[in-house]
Amino acid sequence: DQQVKQNSPSLSVQEGRISILNCDYTNSMFDYFLWYKKYPAEGPTFLISISSIKDKNEDGRFTVFLNKSAKHLSLHIVPSQPGDSAVYFCAARPTQGGSEKLVFGKGTKLTVNP
Amino acid sequence: EPEVTQTPSHQVTQMGQEVILRCVPISNHLYFYWYRQILGQKVEFLVSFYNNEISEKSEIFDDQFSVERPDGSNFTLKIRSTKLEDSAMYFCASSEGYQPQHFGDGTRLSIL
Repeated sequence: DQQVKQNSPSLSVQEGRISILNCDYTNSMFDYFLWYKKYPAEGPTFLISISSIKDKNEDGRFTVFLNKSAKHLSLHIVPSQPGDSAVYFCAARPTQGGSEKLVFGKGTKLTVNP
Repeated sequence: EPEVTQTPSHQVTQMGQEVILRCVPISNHLYFYWYRQILGQKVEFLVSFYNNEISEKSEIFDDQFSVERPDGSNFTLKIRSTKLEDSAMYFCASSEGYQPQHFGDGTRLSIL
């Protein structure tokens, strides 16, 4: 099941620079997208979401961009901090049809170096 | 900030035994979920639960699995006869409906 793909298993950036995490999806029914952050031995923590009626949503240092025609979204973290080092999961679901099921990507491990 | 709590954090069980994983969702949430993550694989949806019944389940959620909300605060996942391949992290989540799902820290289930 490759409906949500995160093609980069890992990313390393310097503190203070921008981190860009990418996610692609194939199911055109998906219209609500979320990013979660996960530290070791903890559960996924909700970061930010975007609905398909928007192409950008911003919350502090975190911005999610959605390109519906390309079925692509990205999470930008600016400036990156060492505490941002974690695994980031992209997730998606349809809002029509009553399904609450989230479909996750495999995650991207972000390392922010001091 | 309210959070989803799961117990135990680690459960070790012999193959063929029954196991119950427990969750206390966020108190004003009405939708409850179980997901699992086998080591090295994606987080996978198992089941959603609303208004005291299953609203959706995946093909993984076969007859050996069941969920229950035995009282106003707990939400449980039972695996009747565990198999080696049930070894995974099991995450409980809750939401207010079409809002982001909030996850607990998981129970690591190890089947011997």
